[in-house]
Amino acid sequence: GDSVTQMEGPVTLSEEAFLTINCTYTATGYPSLFWYVQYPGEGLQLLLKATKADDKGSNKGFEATYRKETTSFHLEKGSVQVSDSAVYFCALSELSGGSNYKLTFGKGTLLTVNP
Amino acid sequence: DARVTQTPRHKVTEMGQEVTMRCQPILGHNTVFWYRQTMMQGLELLAYFRNRAPLDDSGMPKDRFSAEMPDATLATLKIQPSEPRDSAVYFCASGLSFGTETQYFGPGTRLLVL
Repeated sequence: GDSVTQMEGPVTLSEEAFLTINCTYTATGYPSLFWYVQYPGEGLQLLLKATKADDKGSNKGFEATYRKETTSFHLEKGSVQVSDSAVYFCALSELSGGSNYKLTFGKGTLLTVNP
Repeated sequence: DARVTQTPRHKVTEMGQEVTMRCQPILGHNTVFWYRQTMMQGLELLAYFRNRAPLDDSGMPKDRFSAEMPDATLATLKIQPSEPRDSAVYFCASGLSFGTETQYFGPGTRLLVL
């Protein structure tokens, strides 16, 4: 079945450092790819997404490019802030019978940014 | 600002008791998902509904868990009887099934079964 593998954390960075969180996937079809973020005590929020190969999703300074040849969707940010401290989830979405979509999540990566 | 709401936010109960968690999806969304989050297993999909009909509940322990949508504004997840291993955060999410795949998550119900 479909699966998502993301780098294990925790990741600890200083403010203004460069961030990369690796994500690779296995899917039978042509999934859409997502990054969700979970701040402490809250539910998940969509951070960015890409729906086809070579698409780049971006939001709040974060970027990720859909790489079909390497089945990857790595999350990057050039300069992290303390407020970016959260758990980041990579996910894929594929049709599951008819027109129904299901999300498959990675295990999450905890990011802590220190001032 | 439309949001998914969940009640209660926190629940502490004793083993063997019934637990009911409620979710109000975003108005107009026709797909509702229930997830469970634990440190060991991460996020697990328990069940999901489209237009109030259950489509997949294969992730749910059938003997003790049940999920329903009595109407378009309410989804419920029940555990009876509850066990300590059910302690987790339970999230509800809603979305639009026709090609818009983003799911909008509620704040979760943090359940502790003693």
